[in-house]
Amino acid sequence: KAGVTQTPRYLIKTRGQQVTLSCSPISGHRSVSWYQQTPGQGLQFLFEYFSETQRNKGNFPGRFSGRQFSNSRSEMNVSTLELGDSALYLCASSLVAGGNQPQHFGDGTRLSIL
Amino acid sequence: AQTVTQSQPEMSVQEAETVTLSCTYDTSESDYYLFWYKQPPSRQMILVIRQEAYKQQNATENRFSVNFQKAAKSFSLKISDSQLGDAAMYFCAYRSANTGNQFYFGTGTSLTVIP
Repeated sequence: KAGVTQTPRYLIKTRGQQVTLSCSPISGHRSVSWYQQTPGQGLQFLFEYFSETQRNKGNFPGRFSGRQFSNSRSEMNVSTLELGDSALYLCASSLVAGGNQPQHFGDGTRLSIL
Repeated sequence: AQTVTQSQPEMSVQEAETVTLSCTYDTSESDYYLFWYKQPPSRQMILVIRQEAYKQQNATENRFSVNFQKAAKSFSLKISDSQLGDAAMYFCAYRSANTGNQFYFGTGTSLTVIP
């Protein structure tokens, strides 16, 4: 069974631009979560989607948005990029939202803002 | 909001020795789940072990075991017979048993295994 796939692996953007990251969960998984990982900050939760509905949202500005499609694939969009948005963005999927279901992570997208 | 604290940013262990990584969490809930994840230098995060708060018995997965102290809100990870492949960043995570609650991660502990 294929794992969580994130595209692209690397991305370089400049301030003010916008970016869209993609995540394909493990087949059959309906929950997708997004995290921002920076050195010293660990993983900061962005949002979680389940059955095309946003179930949880972290403490990030409205420039960060996401959506989930009927096939459970998810996209994350960041508008008006800032230098501080440089980070590794991780996507994780699980069978359902909540409970003791572990999350399965992708390799991440490394976003660099110049 | 729940918080997860990993007070050891870096740890090192000799190959074949035992090391314990610390994790504490803050919650007012009684039913929740705890996880340890490992992130090797290749970046992909993988689950190491998980513990349900309602279970008194500590979880064990081969060389990995936890010491779960519910009253103290402590969830440490013990790695026995450390191997070079254990070198990685380790993250402790908390999730409420209430449906839909998010994961809360600690800031991680970087483990170095010395040959």
